[in-house]
Amino acid sequence: QKEVEQNSGPLSVPEGAIASLNCTYSDRVSQSFFWYRQYSGKSPELIMSIYSNGDKEDGRFTAQLNKASQYVSLLIRDSQPSDSATYLCAVNGEAAGNKLTFGGGTRVLVKP
Amino acid sequence: GAVVSQHPSRVICKSGTSVKIECRSLDFQATTMFWYRQFPKQSLMLMATSNEGSKATYEQGVEKDKFLINHASLTLSTLTVTSAHPEDSSFYICSARVGSLTDTQYFGPGTRLTVL
Repeated sequence: QKEVEQNSGPLSVPEGAIASLNCTYSDRVSQSFFWYRQYSGKSPELIMSIYSNGDKEDGRFTAQLNKASQYVSLLIRDSQPSDSATYLCAVNGEAAGNKLTFGGGTRVLVKP
Repeated sequence: GAVVSQHPSRVICKSGTSVKIECRSLDFQATTMFWYRQFPKQSLMLMATSNEGSKATYEQGVEKDKFLINHASLTLSTLTVTSAHPEDSSFYICSARVGSLTDTQYFGPGTRLTVL
């Protein structure tokens, strides 16, 4: 079992719709959680960090964390073609030596 | 947000040569920097953790004598790929951590290395 799991996709959504991405993790004592966006051939770009249970909103993005169920999700509202990218879920915690553990990424395609 | 730069962005070299990649935090001091490698269509693989003023900590399977890391100051870490071979061709990305141990990592733009 991978430490951080994501559906590889591609997740195809029409422009203007909501894209929903999920991520599960195995280390129960993980403390911080991140979503990064990576365009093809580019390095990851931070979208959101979340540390406590519940929702966190930033513009069109909402991160949701449920530590009891060990999952973190990302919602992209009003999806735009420019949102087409791979989204990486990353988890940080003491068990991992305070290093980021990445999921394999979910590829999102927003169709005009 | 915090800005991290990398230089060069792209390098092509002959097999057997050494290549140095610089990673700088431009507007903050980073006590810890990380070096990742990414092959096509794969996720990021952590190579090593670099702490200012101390030896880098390498992940299992990463040869420390081949991938030399120096973290000479709070704003600069370097990765030297020694005696590069075609299988070392990859996308090398550094990141710098701001603040506490669980705090955010900001990534540099990456260096694409091609070894002929």
